[in-house]
Amino acid sequence: DTGVSQDPRHKITKRGQNVTFRCDPISEHNRLYWYRQTLGQGPEFLTYFQNEAQLEKSRLLSDRFSAERPKGSFSTLEIQRTEQGDSAMYLCASSSTYVNQPQHFGDGTRLSIL
Amino acid sequence: KQEVTQIPAALSVPEGENLVLNCSFTDSAIYNLQWFRQDPGKGLTSLLLIQSSQREQTSGRLNASLDKSSGRSTLYIAASQPGDSATYLCAPSFGFGNEKLTFGTGTRLTIIP
Repeated sequence: DTGVSQDPRHKITKRGQNVTFRCDPISEHNRLYWYRQTLGQGPEFLTYFQNEAQLEKSRLLSDRFSAERPKGSFSTLEIQRTEQGDSAMYLCASSSTYVNQPQHFGDGTRLSIL
Repeated sequence: KQEVTQIPAALSVPEGENLVLNCSFTDSAIYNLQWFRQDPGKGLTSLLLIQSSQREQTSGRLNASLDKSSGRSTLYIAASQPGDSATYLCAPSFGFGNEKLTFGTGTRLTIIP
C-alpha cells in the first residue's frame, strides 16, 4: 500500500494556460474524489468517481474544469484557461466501496496562477 | 446546504495537557464522520472514522465522540505532545454510496513544549 500519489506537487503557470494534474489512488480503491482547498479553509468537494464513472460534480466545477478516470485507475483533473481564482491546493482522495471506509488523501497539488 | 463549524479556530496548550476539539454540523442525517490532521503544506491524514451508529471511536491517545441528535462531534486528545501540533479538520459525510465529505475550517492546534 503506497498511499495516494499526486503529481505534480507544485504547479506555477500564467493566467490563461491549461494545466493537468494526476492522481494515482490506492490500488484496490474503487472510489476517487477531488477536492479543492484555499488558504485557511477546509477542502471543498469537486467531483467523485466510482470506477471509471463520474457520478457527481460540484457546482464549483465550472465548464473550464474536466476530470477523467480512464479504466478506473488513475485520474486526471484539467483546468483550461486558468484564472487567478483557481490558485489553490487540489487534493485527491480514494476509498474502497465497502461501507464506512475512510477516505485517504494524497499530499495535493498546489497551483499558483501568475 | 450542510454546514460544518469548528470552534475554536486556534488553540494553544502546554505539553501534557488533555484537550477537546469541537465540531458541529447542521444536518443530523449524517452517514459517518472523519477526523483528519493536516500539517502545513501537506495533505490530510485520516485519524478516526466514526459511524453514525456509533457514539465513540478510539485510537491510541485519540477519542472521537458523536452525538447525531445535537449535531456535534468532539475529538479528545490525551497527554498532548509537540508532535500533535497541526490543523485538525472534521468532515461528516451525508450520503450513502457517495461519501463526499463536507469540511469545517479546522482548528489550528499548537502544543507548547
